Amino acid sequence: QVQLQESGPGLVKPSQTLSLTCTVSGGSISSGGYYWSWIRQHPGKGLEWIGYIYYSGSTYYNPSLKSRVTISVDTSKNQFSLKLSSVTAADTAVYYCARGPRELLDYWGQGTLVTVSS
Amino acid sequence: SYVLTQPPSVSVAPGKTARITCGGNNIGSKSVHWYQQKPGQAPVLVIYYDSDRPSGIPERFSGSNSGNTATLTISRVEAGDEADYYCQVWDSSSDLGVFGGGTKLTVL
Repeated sequence: QVQLQESGPGLVKPSQTLSLTCTVSGGSISSGGYYWSWIRQHPGKGLEWIGYIYYSGSTYYNPSLKSRVTISVDTSKNQFSLKLSSVTAADTAVYYCARGPRELLDYWGQGTLVTVSS
Repeated sequence: SYVLTQPPSVSVAPGKTARITCGGNNIGSKSVHWYQQKPGQAPVLVIYYDSDRPSGIPERFSGSNSGNTATLTISRVEAGDEADYYCQVWDSSSDLGVFGGGTKLTVL
């Protein structure tokens, strides 16, 4: 069974870069066939798809965040990462990593709360 | 971008049937996926491609999709079904998934 686990700082200062890593176990990112996504959920709000990456490195980003987002993959470590630059309080959210055949998400990490505050 | 509309809340008595709708322009032409999210937990896929159930999801969960409305139906509702439910489709114009705003299911 595939498992995903987010890791990274829980507190980021305004204007800095949020960096999270998702470690995948029980399956190989480089085996192909799946896309690896980041989703966030503002406190008490709905879900927002940030973007996703394929093992080859192809990426797709939410247009509303595209100028600040970078998703990368490290197949040697079976990890993929999220960087969100120039963060503000509006980026405070629970961040999830997930897997799926692109159009849906069949396995999710447990999520990690990132707070943007000085 | 494509917009999905869900009712903020649905209430149902135990043992009854709950129906949660997801509206979108000609949504019947798209594949709809449904997620259940309990408080403090990650979402879980409960229905995919309109009406398929992942392994481990009870048969009480079913889905349909036609015209401008997709529906998640939960039969014989149990207290443990109380959760937020989100519909999701793929927006081919932006190459990204889109979620509905979510529906809080309350079991009375």
